[in-house]
Amino acid sequence: AQTVTQSQPEMSVQEAETVTLSCTYDTSESDYYLFWYKQPPSRQMILVIRQEAYKQQNATENRFSVNFQKAAKSFSLKISDSQLGDAAMYFCAYRSETQGGSEKLVFGKGTKLTVNP
Amino acid sequence: ETGVTQSPTHLIKTRGQQVTLRCSSQSGHNTVSWYQQALGQGPQFIFQYYREEENGRGNFPPRFSGLQFPNYSSELNVNALELDDSALYLCASSWRNSPLHFGNGTRLTVT
Repeated sequence: AQTVTQSQPEMSVQEAETVTLSCTYDTSESDYYLFWYKQPPSRQMILVIRQEAYKQQNATENRFSVNFQKAAKSFSLKISDSQLGDAAMYFCAYRSETQGGSEKLVFGKGTKLTVNP
Repeated sequence: ETGVTQSPTHLIKTRGQQVTLRCSSQSGHNTVSWYQQALGQGPQFIFQYYREEENGRGNFPPRFSGLQFPNYSSELNVNALELDDSALYLCASSWRNSPLHFGNGTRLTVT
């Protein structure tokens, strides 16, 4: 079974600075997707960024970028120019396919990001 | 474009009771998934529905059941509630290979 590990329960960053959140995963599959989701106090999971495993190029979305190391099974998220609104729980997730073709997400335990003014 | 909506927002039940949670999928999405998020944990996959059929299930007992309706909305039913069922229940919808779009969740407390 696939597992996702986020080794940093909490991180903090100064406003306008850069922070990197770590994620490792374990899988025997060669094709899969990886995601970073943000969960603010409103509780809604918001997609931050997505990476297809077959793509060697790291995904970027404005201030958010990833460092995808397939061989090392590592998928870190870099937030540049941190803003107060970035404060939230961040979850790394792996998309797996269960029997019958469904697609489920396997989540890590999350990293709580605090942004200090 | 209407997002994923869940009801109710909060719910308090007693151990042994039954509960039904509801989810309206985002417009155009035909797949609905349910996740359980215990306090301080990441969400765990309960099951997924596609075209009104269960299309994958996580490690949850049969007292967790669901339905999907022709308009793609969905229900999660939990029978014989236990204290450990207290959690945030998240519904997510998708279409084909699109990423999941989540609702704001239902906070269930079992006393």
